[in-house]
Amino acid sequence: QVQLQESGPGLVKASETLSLTCTVSGGSIVSYYWTWIRQPPGKGLEWIGSISFSGSTDYNPSLKSRVTMSVDTSKNQFSLKLGSVTAADTAVYYCARVSTWYFDLWGRGTLVTVSS
Amino acid sequence: EIVLTQSPATLSLSPGDRATLSCRASQSVSSYLAWYQQKPGQAPSLLIYDASNRAPGIPARFSGSGSGTDFTLTISSLEPEDFAVYYCQQRSNWPLTFGGGTKVEIK
Repeated sequence: QVQLQESGPGLVKASETLSLTCTVSGGSIVSYYWTWIRQPPGKGLEWIGSISFSGSTDYNPSLKSRVTMSVDTSKNQFSLKLGSVTAADTAVYYCARVSTWYFDLWGRGTLVTVSS
Repeated sequence: EIVLTQSPATLSLSPGDRATLSCRASQSVSSYLAWYQQKPGQAPSLLIYDASNRAPGIPARFSGSGSGTDFTLTISSLEPEDFAVYYCQQRSNWPLTFGGGTKVEIK
């Protein structure tokens, strides 16, 4: 079955760029939209943005100035870059598959801590 | 941005009880609302989409209802594995938004 796995540094320094990759296995990245969602420790969920297999993007306006998403269909991966991070960006970051703009398949999540 | 307000924040119930969770939208989202379950240390999982449709593999004890601004998730008889946090999410307007969550805990 299709599985998603986030990867990337667990610790990022303040003001630097957070970079994460989601690898899709057991199925093709083609024909779907994919998304990043984050969850600060003990808090709720925030949609960061979504990207299609062809590279079309939609970002949350609250993060748009700092977010870049990309897709690599040859590797069945998509990626997130979040610039100028602060402690407020400390969160578990999830990648997920989009199905009619709901999220039907999720990765296990990866905790990214922003250090000062 | 559409704000989703979930209530109550915490629901203390016993196994076998009926759970009723509420999600209210700041403006109409038609029927474009989903519910997710999140267990500790796990990613959320999709339960209900388009207000009342169960996702594949979801037991019949979970049901969703509502339209416009008021939505309800009902768990007819709580099983031990149902104690978790539940989130609603709307796809009517961008940005996509989630509610703050309702924790269903064992009484």
